[in-house]
Amino acid sequence: DAGVIQSPRHEVTEMGQEVTLRCKPISGHNSLFWYRQTMMRGLELLIYFNNNVPIDDSGMPEDRFSAKMPNASFSTLKIQPSEPRDSAVYFCASRGIRFGDFGAFFGQGTRLTVV
Amino acid sequence: GQQLNQSPQSMFIQEGEDVSMNCTSSSIFNTWLWYKQDPGEGPVLLIALYKAGELTSNGRLTAQFGITRKDSFLNISASIPSDVGIYFCAGQLSGGYQKVTFGTGTKLQVIP
Repeated sequence: DAGVIQSPRHEVTEMGQEVTLRCKPISGHNSLFWYRQTMMRGLELLIYFNNNVPIDDSGMPEDRFSAKMPNASFSTLKIQPSEPRDSAVYFCASRGIRFGDFGAFFGQGTRLTVV
Repeated sequence: GQQLNQSPQSMFIQEGEDVSMNCTSSSIFNTWLWYKQDPGEGPVLLIALYKAGELTSNGRLTAQFGITRKDSFLNISASIPSDVGIYFCAGQLSGGYQKVTFGTGTKLQVIP
C-alpha cells in the first residue's frame, strides 16, 4: 500500500492567495483527518470525516478554512484568503476501523508558508 | 475539551540508557496510542493499547494503559541514535466516530 499521499509537500504563497492542500487516504479506510502542526500549538485536529461525511469541524480556525471529501479516495483542505499565521505543517491521516486498525496513518504533510 | 499533557517536554539521554515518558489526561479514554515523529515526516504509530492496565511491547518499546484510563506510559529500553524524534501520545474514545486527541509531545535526543 502506498500509504496516505499528500500534495504538495511544500507550498509558499503570498498573503491573500487561495491555497488548496490535497490528500489521498489509504484505500479502504473510512475515516480521514486533517491536522495542523505548529511549534506553539502542537498537533491540532481541524476536521475529520467518516465515510466521506464531515463529523466534527470544531477545530477549523475560521471561515477562511474549508474541507471537502467528494469521494472515499480524495480530500481537500482549502484556505481562502491565506494569512501568514496559517503557516504550519498540515497533515492528513486516515484510519480503517473495520480492519481492526485503531491507529490513524499519517501522510508526510504539506509545509505551508504564507508570506 | 480534552487535554493531554506529556512529560517530560524534552530529554537528552546517553545511548544505551532506558527512557520513560508519560501522558496524562483530564478525562477518560478507551484507547491509547503512541506515535513517533521523525523530522520532516508525519507521525508513525508505534503501539496501541485497548484495555485499562494493558501492557504491550513492540521491540524495545513498552507501553502501559493506566488503570484510571487517564494516563499512559511509554518506555524505551537500551536507546539508540535512531530513537531520536518526538513522541506523541494520543487518546481515543470508542464508539461513535472515535475522535483522536494528541498530546503535547516529548522530544527525545540521544547522545551517541
